[in-house]
Amino acid sequence: KQEVTQIPAALSVPEGENLVLNCSFTDSAIYNLQWFRQDPGKGLTSLLLIQSSQREQTSGRLNASLDKSSGRSTLYIAASQPGDSATYLCAGITQGGSEKLVFGKGTKLTVNP
Amino acid sequence: DVKVTQSSRYLVKRTGEKVFLECVQDMDHENMFWYRQDPGLGLRLIYFSYDVKMKEKGDIPEGYSVSREKKERFSLILESASTNQTSMYLCASNNPGGVPLSYEQYFGPGTRLTVT
Repeated sequence: KQEVTQIPAALSVPEGENLVLNCSFTDSAIYNLQWFRQDPGKGLTSLLLIQSSQREQTSGRLNASLDKSSGRSTLYIAASQPGDSATYLCAGITQGGSEKLVFGKGTKLTVNP
Repeated sequence: DVKVTQSSRYLVKRTGEKVFLECVQDMDHENMFWYRQDPGLGLRLIYFSYDVKMKEKGDIPEGYSVSREKKERFSLILESASTNQTSMYLCASNNPGGVPLSYEQYFGPGTRLTVT
């Protein structure tokens, strides 16, 4: 059964710092991978999607990469801001599996002004 | 803008009540999903539907049922609510048959259900 681990579970950084969030899958056969942001008490907002033919995606200060050989993904946030404070979740679909996403438990990020 | 809406942001029900959670998407998506989210357990899939009147059990279907009579609407039903169903419920949709063939999921704002 596919399981997803996100490290660290929580992270606190000063404003302006560059940071990396990690995500790993027990089954490295990932078809695509999606990173989400969740604010307290709210739904999930899709940040980046890496499709099967891609290795990374960028949106503004965010960059996500996927290493299929190892089943690992990273989300890089440049020049962090207090407004980036949220929980970040990664989720993936396994090749040959159903269309269901398998989620990690998230990294709670706090950016201190 | 893609949009997934859920009927209530907050809901309080009593044990034993029948509860309906409604989800509507305006993107003509084929797939719709219901998750629950609990601290320490993350998001867990309850049910999903890949077409009108079609459904498939997720990881934790016990105590729940679903209904999809129209493509844009997916309902989650708690036949007899119990306190252990107190949770945040999230609906999502995607369109794997569309362009791009990405499986990207879009989520609603969530319903915080409390069963007392």
